[in-house]
Amino acid sequence: QTVVTQEPSFSVSPGGTVTLTCGLNSGSVSTSSYPSWYQQTPGQAPRTLIYSTNTRSSGVPDRFSGSILGNKAALTITGAQADDESDYYCLLYMGSGISVFGGGTRLTVL
Amino acid sequence: QVTLKESGPALVKPTQTLTLTCTFSGFSLSTSGMRVSWIRQPPGKALEWLARIDWDDDKFYSTSLKTRLTISKDTSKNQVVLTMTNMDPVDTATYYCTRISTSLNFDYWGLGTLVTVSS
Repeated sequence: QTVVTQEPSFSVSPGGTVTLTCGLNSGSVSTSSYPSWYQQTPGQAPRTLIYSTNTRSSGVPDRFSGSILGNKAALTITGAQADDESDYYCLLYMGSGISVFGGGTRLTVL
Repeated sequence: QVTLKESGPALVKPTQTLTLTCTFSGFSLSTSGMRVSWIRQPPGKALEWLARIDWDDDKFYSTSLKTRLTISKDTSKNQVVLTMTNMDPVDTATYYCTRISTSLNFDYWGLGTLVTVSS
């Protein structure tokens, strides 16, 4: 069974830079996985940050960027702010119409 | 302006079938390239992709849930319906529908609807 892996938690200092990753338990993530990233705060619907590896969704600040690092997708937040403290989820396309979410990363800004 | 709204029962009993409706506006699911997905999130847990229906009526399901799920669309009503059979308390979750545009961009989300499975 395909499992999408994310760091369960991460911490960053205000103004700092953090890179969250999204991998597969078997195989590599590539642009063909169409990796996308979502931010979610408690009680709210997810907000799309990045799609198709590195395209920012409308209205998303440019301190959020997406890439492929090695065999994983990555979300980098540069100049972290207090309101970036959220849960972050990646979504990968597996082919044959199927997508799978990662388990999410809880980001703390302190 | 694109909007999506989920509707359905807030409470279902174990073994019952859940029917959820996603009513959307601002786009047409008959437009080439348009898709709608259902996603759920149990309380305190991660998002889970469930199913997708495309403009050409292609349908795709989560590997682990495909025997229980059916997705359909009514283009004239701008609605997508998801049914899930044999509901169990572990299916308690907030269910979201989303629009998917080019490059698999899940660009618009509904607010979600909480479904509790309990006797």
